[in-house]
Amino acid sequence: LAKTTQPISMDSYEGQEVNITCSHNNIATNDYITWYQQFPSQGPRFIIQGYKTKVTNEVASLFIPADRKSSTLSLPRVSLSDTAVYYCLVGDDNFNKFYFGSGTKLNVKP
Amino acid sequence: DADVTQTPRNRITKTGKRIMLECSQTKGHDRMYWYRQDPGLGLRLIYYSFDVKDINKGEISDGYSVSRQAQAKFSLSLESAIPNQTALYFCATTSGGEAFFGQGTRLTVV
Repeated sequence: LAKTTQPISMDSYEGQEVNITCSHNNIATNDYITWYQQFPSQGPRFIIQGYKTKVTNEVASLFIPADRKSSTLSLPRVSLSDTAVYYCLVGDDNFNKFYFGSGTKLNVKP
Repeated sequence: DADVTQTPRNRITKTGKRIMLECSQTKGHDRMYWYRQDPGLGLRLIYYSFDVKDINKGEISDGYSVSRQAQAKFSLSLESAIPNQTALYFCATTSGGEAFFGQGTRLTVV
């Protein structure tokens, strides 16, 4: 299992950009990095996935340096509804090997 | 309709009772999973199935059993429920590294 390390919690204010960094020193060549968002009492929801460099979609950006030992999820201009737990997962197509740690609890304040 | 549907959404049962949690998916994916989540913690894998004939134990399978009735259906059973199985249970299906989770079943064992 390629385990990950994330901050336990982060606070932000509405309208700010939030960057959540994840460390994954044991990432394998075939692994890619995936981020999920979870609201209380709901199942996690896929946000973004990448292998290297930068990936952007309508929700977030994912920055991955050349050594791939870390990654940063960037949420532009957060709102109160972005308050959730964010999980960084590392793995290949074998999702059963994905390790869900405790994630990062993001609290967005007005 | 949701891609992954879990029933029941909430259940209270007594110690020693047998209980079944059901999951069905409309994504047409072969791979399905059962997770449990305890308060403030990440998801832990109970069982997973790569197809109807393939069932595998996850990280915490003791006290649980599963049945894959069809590609779309994957049930989790607690043969003799105990209080420390009180948790939020999630079913998921995957395609590559993207997972689709159900809304969860909140199980309380008293």
